Amino acid sequence: AQSVTQPDIHITVSEGASLELRCNYSYGATPYLFWYVQSPGQGLQLLLKYFSGDTLVQGIKGFEAEFKRSQSSFNLRKPSVHWSDAAEYFCAVGVLAGNQFYFGTGTSLTVIP
Amino acid sequence: DTAVSQTPKYLVTQMGNDKSIKCEQNLGHDTMYWYKQDSKKFLKIMFSYNNKELIINETVPNRFSPKSPDKAHLNLHINSLELGDSAVYFCASSQDQQDPYNSPLHFGNGTRLTVT
Repeated sequence: AQSVTQPDIHITVSEGASLELRCNYSYGATPYLFWYVQSPGQGLQLLLKYFSGDTLVQGIKGFEAEFKRSQSSFNLRKPSVHWSDAAEYFCAVGVLAGNQFYFGTGTSLTVIP
Repeated sequence: DTAVSQTPKYLVTQMGNDKSIKCEQNLGHDTMYWYKQDSKKFLKIMFSYNNKELIINETVPNRFSPKSPDKAHLNLHINSLELGDSAVYFCASSQDQQDPYNSPLHFGNGTRLTVT
């Protein structure tokens, strides 16, 4: 069965520091992978997505993610974090049947000045 | 603005009441969803509709009944509300139901339901 694990419930980084949020997935076929961001009181916004091709994908707001099949991972990175990046980040896997999406439990990011 | 909009944003009600949450999308998408986000931020799909037809119906109590009058609208009606129904409910839409990569989810801003 498909599942998504985000090992870090909460991460705190200093503004300007680099960021990496971890995501591991379990899926029997080639996965459709996504990262979403949820700002307080808002819905989820798509940051980036991956299905095939180049394993390093670029997204909005300066984020990127790298797909590593051998590790079943799709970690999100940003070289320099801004205070406005403080939010909840969700990794998700999409499956063809019914266009279903399965979400991880999220990682809450705090950015300190 | 093109978007998924849902109302109300906040809903406070007592146990036993019946309430509805409305959702509309003007993105021209064929598929709409309801997700429930619990207090630990876990997102779980409840229902999905494609062109007004029910596609996904996860293990949800019968007290929850989705209604799709047309493909741009998917409303959620909840009967006999219970304390455990307190959560944030998100409406979402996608272009179609066959291609997650080219049809990612677009979310509304959520409805925070509090049952007292």
